[in-house]
Amino acid sequence: GENVEQHPSTLSVQEGDSAVIKCTYSDSASNYFPWYKQELGKRPQLIIDIRSNVGEKKDQRIAVTLNKTAKHFSLHITETQPEDSAVYFCAASIAAGGTSYGKLTFGQGTILTVHP
Amino acid sequence: NAGVTQTPKFQVLKTGQSMTLQCAQDMNHEYMSWYRQDPGMGLRLIHYSVGAGITDQGEVPNGYNVSRSTTEDFPLRLLSAAPSQTSVYFCASSYDGSWSPLHFGNGTRLTVT
Repeated sequence: GENVEQHPSTLSVQEGDSAVIKCTYSDSASNYFPWYKQELGKRPQLIIDIRSNVGEKKDQRIAVTLNKTAKHFSLHITETQPEDSAVYFCAASIAAGGTSYGKLTFGQGTILTVHP
Repeated sequence: NAGVTQTPKFQVLKTGQSMTLQCAQDMNHEYMSWYRQDPGMGLRLIHYSVGAGITDQGEVPNGYNVSRSTTEDFPLRLLSAAPSQTSVYFCASSYDGSWSPLHFGNGTRLTVT
């Protein structure tokens, strides 16, 4: 089955700096890569996602890049703010076709702390 | 819409006891799933369902049963609780389990002593 590795496990930045979280996946058939943010004591919520036919996607201060050849995707947060402090999870799945349809595999999570 | 509703929020069990975690969604989503969250291990898929009457195993299905008799409900049953099942459990649903985002419930914190 799919295996998703996420690094780093913790990341500490100063307000205004950029933050980058990296993930690798094992199944070359995976074609959907969402990112979820989980604030302390809350439920995970989708912040951005990317499909395998796209190399990069941006939404205001966040962006995700995908390298299908290397089976690698990353989350970039620019101009970080204290409210960006949370746990971030990457995930991968085969969104259409194949026998593994419906299985979203998550990375281990990154605890991001933004210091004012 | 209430979204995804999980009950209970907290539960303490003794080893060997059984219980059912309830999950209901009112968004008419076809896809529902159960994850467990443990420190440093992310969210691991236990079981999932792509529609009423259809269920399948995820990464860590042992010790858990599910059924999907209606579109709205997807209960998770612990057959004989073990300390290794101490975790936070999240139910999540999406429109079709494909490209659509997962909507998570608020979670159930389970402790098995």
